[in-house]
Amino acid sequence: GNSVTQMEGPVTLSEEAFLTINCTYTATGYPSLFWYVQYPGEGLQLLLKATKADDKGSNKGFEATYRKETTSFHLEKGSVQVSDSAVYFCALTRAGNTPLVFGKGTRLSVIA
Amino acid sequence: DGGITQSPKYLFRKEGQNVTLSCEQNLNHDAMYWYRQDPGQGLRLIYYSQIVNDFQKGDIAEGYSVSREKKESFPLTVTSAQKNPTAFYLCASSKAQGTSGSKQFFGPGTRLTVL
Repeated sequence: GNSVTQMEGPVTLSEEAFLTINCTYTATGYPSLFWYVQYPGEGLQLLLKATKADDKGSNKGFEATYRKETTSFHLEKGSVQVSDSAVYFCALTRAGNTPLVFGKGTRLSVIA
Repeated sequence: DGGITQSPKYLFRKEGQNVTLSCEQNLNHDAMYWYRQDPGQGLRLIYYSQIVNDFQKGDIAEGYSVSREKKESFPLTVTSAQKNPTAFYLCASSKAQGTSGSKQFFGPGTRLTVL
């Protein structure tokens, strides 16, 4: 079946440090890949997405590239801010309105 | 403003009681979903509906029920058969766009606590 594995947290970084959160997936065919972010006590917000191999999703300084050869979609940001502190979820879905399959989430804490 | 609303934000229930969580969307989305979030376990799918008057069980449907009588509404009932209902419940919706997987929009969630 389809599954997503992401690095366990928590991850603690100093402000302006480089961020990488690893995500790998198992799926048949060509899933669409997503990163969602959840701030404390809130629902999930879409951060970025990619729908085919070699696509790069980007938003708010975050980037992730769809790597089919390594079945990965790692999240990166060059310089994190305290406001980036949140839980980040990697997810995939197949075509159309099919449910998302989520990783377990990675909590990021950025300290000033 | 278009979006998804969930109510209430906090809900307390005594053991043995059924309770219904509301989810409404005005995005004209075809599909709606219910997920449960527990610490350290990510989100798990309870039920989803791709069209009015039709829904499918997710991975953890036991002890839950849903209805989809209107496109904009997808209420979730947590029954007394759900053995461990204390959790954060998230509703989402999506609209199919071409052949790629559709992004989902999430509501703010309802935190259910069983006393």
